[in-house]
Amino acid sequence: AQSVTQLDSQVPVFEEAPVELRCNYSSSVSVYLFWYVQYPNQGLQLLLKYLSGSTLVESINGFEAEFNKSQTSFHLRKPSVHISDTAEYFCAVSGRGSTLGRLYFGRGTQLTVWP
Amino acid sequence: DAGVIQSPRHEVTEMGQEVTLRCKPISGHDYLFWYRQTMMRGLELLIYFNNNVPIDDSGMPEDRFSAKMPNASFSTLKIQPSEPRDSAVYFCASSLRGEGYNEQFFGPGTRLTVL
Repeated sequence: AQSVTQLDSQVPVFEEAPVELRCNYSSSVSVYLFWYVQYPNQGLQLLLKYLSGSTLVESINGFEAEFNKSQTSFHLRKPSVHISDTAEYFCAVSGRGSTLGRLYFGRGTQLTVWP
Repeated sequence: DAGVIQSPRHEVTEMGQEVTLRCKPISGHDYLFWYRQTMMRGLELLIYFNNNVPIDDSGMPEDRFSAKMPNASFSTLKIQPSEPRDSAVYFCASSLRGEGYNEQFFGPGTRLTVL
C-alpha cells in the first residue's frame, strides 16, 4: 500500500510571497502523484498530476510540483500567491499499475494568503 | 458531462433519524468512492465500489453505516440511526480504471448536520 505525509497542516503567507507545500509519500512500487485543491464549501478539484516523463509538472494557475524519486517527495510551489489561492491542498498517491483503483490522500494543508 | 452529482447538498436531521445520501457518478466511470470529511479526522475513505461491487468497506465506522450501488449510475450511503458525531461533509468521487492512474473526480459534497 501507499501513504502520504503532508508535513504542514497550516501555511500562512502574505500575498505575492512564494509558498511551498510539502508532501512525502511511501510506496513499495512506482507511483502516480496528485495535488488536489479544495476551496471553501466545495469538493476537491485536481490541481496537477505526475504520471510519467518530466518530473516538473505545472497547473494553469501558476502552481508547479516536482517529483523527486530519491527523496520520495512531491512538493507544491508557487512563486507568488494571490488571496484567491486560499484553500486546502491535498497530496495523493496511487500505485502505478495498481488494480485496486484507490488514491491515498494526505491530511491536507490549509494555505491562507493574507493581504 | 455534468460531473459527479450529489444530493442533497445540505441535510439537517435529528438524532435517531435515518439519513440517505445519494450520488450519481460520471457516466462510464467504473469506480465509485465515498469519503467523509471532518475537522478532527480530515478526509476519510469510507467505502469504494468497482463495477457496482464493494471492494473495501473497512473505513465504514460502524454498522449504522451502509452503502449500496444498485447500478452503474447510482449509489447511496445510509446512516441509521444517525448520531451527532456523524455530522460531517460526505463526498462521492468516481474514476475510470481504464486510464490506469486512478484520477478521481469529486462531487460537491453533502453537508450533514445531526442535532
